Amino acid sequence: DIVVTQSPDSLAVSLGERATINCKSSQSVLYSSSNKYYLAWYQQKPGQSPKLLIYWASTRASGVPDRFSGSGSGTDFTLTISNLQAEDVAVYYCQQYSSTPLTFGGGTRVEIK
Amino acid sequence: EVQLVESGGNLVKPGGSLRLSCVVSGFTFSNAWLNWVRQAPGKGLEWVGRIKSKTDGGTTDYAASVKGRFFVSRDDSRNTVYLQMNSLKIEDTAVYYCTAEGAWGPGTRVTISS
Repeated sequence: DIVVTQSPDSLAVSLGERATINCKSSQSVLYSSSNKYYLAWYQQKPGQSPKLLIYWASTRASGVPDRFSGSGSGTDFTLTISNLQAEDVAVYYCQQYSSTPLTFGGGTRVEIK
Repeated sequence: EVQLVESGGNLVKPGGSLRLSCVVSGFTFSNAWLNWVRQAPGKGLEWVGRIKSKTDGGTTDYAASVKGRFFVSRDDSRNTVYLQMNSLKIEDTAVYYCTAEGAWGPGTRVTISS
């Protein structure tokens, strides 16, 4: 099974500043036939279901503000929230979908400092 | 607009069974691979199982924690995916979500307690 490890567990960032969340997979999630990384990022606000932010490691989902960006390669990936807004307070999860069992990171809680 | 709506959650005794349903709209259901994901109270997300489209074989895969007890099926004529849960355990208590094409339903709550 591919283990997905997120860090940090939580972070507090001032409004307008940058938040950076890291995600590491225990094996490559690169699908060689498509040359795409099968890595997604989700946002879950309190009392809500998760919302897809990023797929293929760096492609923003429809309607997602451009202050959210995904990057990375190999087994190391990053979600960056630039210009943090109050509505970005949430738990963020990364997920690999290259092989079953699909696996999620443990989540990173983002709060306002 | 893609919409998924789960139903069927309930309070069940350990050892019991339950069937969850998820009705989907807003995309071509028959082409979709559909997943079930759960979230225990105060915990993170755990993938439960998946069913591929019939075009891709219609096969299923499961997390080790539910294999042999949970079964995913689909009815393309009803745009509905099901999760049959048998031999339920207290640790199966969670909100269960169905997901497809990046969209998630609001979830349905399953509580296993005597």
